Amino acid sequence: SQQGEEDPQALSIQEGENATMNCSYKTSINNLQWYRQNSGRGLVHLILIRSNEREKHSGRLRVTLDTSKKSSSLLITASRAADTASYFCATPLNQAGTALIFGKGTTLSVSS
Amino acid sequence: GAGVSQSPRYKVAKRGQDVALRCDPISGHVSLFWYQQALGQGPEFLTYFQNEAQLDKSGLPSDRFFAERPEGSVSTLKIQRTQQEDSAVYLCASSLMMVSEQFFGPGTRLTVL
Repeated sequence: SQQGEEDPQALSIQEGENATMNCSYKTSINNLQWYRQNSGRGLVHLILIRSNEREKHSGRLRVTLDTSKKSSSLLITASRAADTASYFCATPLNQAGTALIFGKGTTLSVSS
Repeated sequence: GAGVSQSPRYKVAKRGQDVALRCDPISGHVSLFWYQQALGQGPEFLTYFQNEAQLDKSGLPSDRFFAERPEGSVSTLKIQRTQQEDSAVYLCASSLMMVSEQFFGPGTRLTVL
């Protein structure tokens, strides 16, 4: 079973535009992670946000977490063709917080 | 340093064959994870090791799946009597601590005919 669900399933934008992806989850968590996957580099960790954080930035990435709504969003600003990939949110499988449950992902296409 | 490596990258097996998939984690990483990813889906957890101890194998889909990490470094995922539904990409990941970012290998794409 999958805990996180990303929305939208697919997103197509032009270079330079911003891309926003959302993730909803079901149970209480102590952290949430976002990963990117493309054919060239495989699955790569982007950012981890803890439950006591509301917002986190990393370069062109901005992640928010709303634990009351059990949701998170990933914003990519000034997108580039190289951002074309699938993006997954991942939450801890259990209280031990080791293994992850991934959503089905959002497929982002950035055209130049 | 080198990242997580997996071998083989591609494996074609006839139904009923046994396969063994290898994972070399990042040196010094305590935690090692195996995931299964079907086409168009996110990775699904199979099993987790902390050093040589297999602490969670709740995601293994059947008793045909077996994983080991005897010396706390390299891990092998073995699938006995493969079935067509076993066709997927098998991803290995390692992490330095129990709760931290996971570094994924390129995966092994298994096709069972």
